[in-house]
This record gives sequence, structure tokens and C-alpha cells, in this order.
Amino acid sequence: NAGVTQTPKFQVLKTGQSMTLQCAQDMNHNSMYWYRQDPGMGLRLIYYSASEGTTDKGEVPNGYNVSRLNKREFSLRLESAAPSQTSVYFCASSEHLTNTGELFFGEGSRLTVL
Amino acid sequence: QKEVEQNSGPLSVPEGAIASLNCTYSDRGSQSFFWYRQYSGKSPELIMSIYSNGDKEDGRFTAQLNKASQYVSLLIRDSQPSDSATYLCAPARQGGADGLTFGKGTHLIIQP
Repeated sequence: NAGVTQTPKFQVLKTGQSMTLQCAQDMNHNSMYWYRQDPGMGLRLIYYSASEGTTDKGEVPNGYNVSRLNKREFSLRLESAAPSQTSVYFCASSEHLTNTGELFFGEGSRLTVL
Repeated sequence: QKEVEQNSGPLSVPEGAIASLNCTYSDRGSQSFFWYRQYSGKSPELIMSIYSNGDKEDGRFTAQLNKASQYVSLLIRDSQPSDSATYLCAPARQGGADGLTFGKGTHLIIQP
């Protein structure tokens, strides 16, 4: 059982390049999330999708776009990467989040922007 | 703006002692409270949840909640080196699916 799968796990970009982080979950969860984690800043929500067909901004959405491709997949796109977007990105999914509190995280994608 | 405050540490505790991790939150609408553990280089995992004032025990872990003081804590008894990790606090409102707001986490080190 794979859970939440993120690709790629590591990526190095030059400033101005674009890329898409892919995320897929096999738990039939309705809600999916993208977080970034920086030293000293904790986990911050970028975008989320409460259900298939909807997306909403989180705390730090600037410079990112998302697509909920179907119930399983939720991608994060950087159109023009900046050094400030160097971070570890986590995708997560959940069902009944506020009841269970359980976010299922992927292993993370470590992105470096030069 | 939801704010969740934790002492970043590192908090150093001898093996076998009690580790006490604290968290305060600003959103008075928070009804559910969660503790996540994150090992270095790994993703966070849920270890405790608490919904009512008072204490909730699960093995060596005890979560404590005081909604009036907007304070939640996690106690780890008989601390083991394997408990060395960063602990993240996350309060949540009922009924939403808009993600969890995490504190910055407390880095706990258990000294053998």
C-alpha cells in the first residue's frame, strides 16, 4: 500500500525555470494538501483541495499554482522558480481531517533553486 | 491569523525522564488538537489527539488540554533515545477541510 507518493524526491532548478511536483494518493481521500517546510518556519500550507474539482489558497500561495487532476492526483507548479522557493515540499491527504486530525504525508520533495 | 506557538528548543532530557512539550494557540474556535512527531529527514506522523479539557493518556504519551488558557501540552514518560525528534502542535476547528496550522515545532533530544 503506497499511501501518498510524491515525485520527484530531489530537484535542482535555476532561477526562472519552471517545474511541477506530482502527488498521488491511493487511499480514496477527498482532501489533499501541499505544504512547504523551511528551517525555523515550520510547515506552512501552500494550497489545498478539499474535494475533487476545488482548490483554495493556503497561507503562502504566491508563486505557485495547483491542479487537482482527479481524486487521486494533486500537482504543484512553480512557473518561474525563485531562490526563496528552496524548500522541502510535502503533499498530504486526509479524510475527516478535523475529526481525526490525521494528515497522511508523502516522503517530501527537496527543491533547490539556484 | 491563526498562531501556534512552541518553544523551538532544542529541549534536552535525560533518558528515562519526563519530557514536557508545550504549545499555545490563538484561535479560540479550535476544538481539536493534534501532536505530530517528525524525525529528521522524514515526514510528520500523527501521534496524539485530544478534544476535551483534561488529560488523555496513550502508552508513554499524555496530552493535556486547557481551552480557557489556550494551552496544550505533550508529556513523554520514560523518555527513550528513539523519542528524539521534532514535535509539532496543530489545533483545528471542527467541520473544515482547510488543512492544519502547525506550530514551528520543538526539537527534543533524549540523552542516553
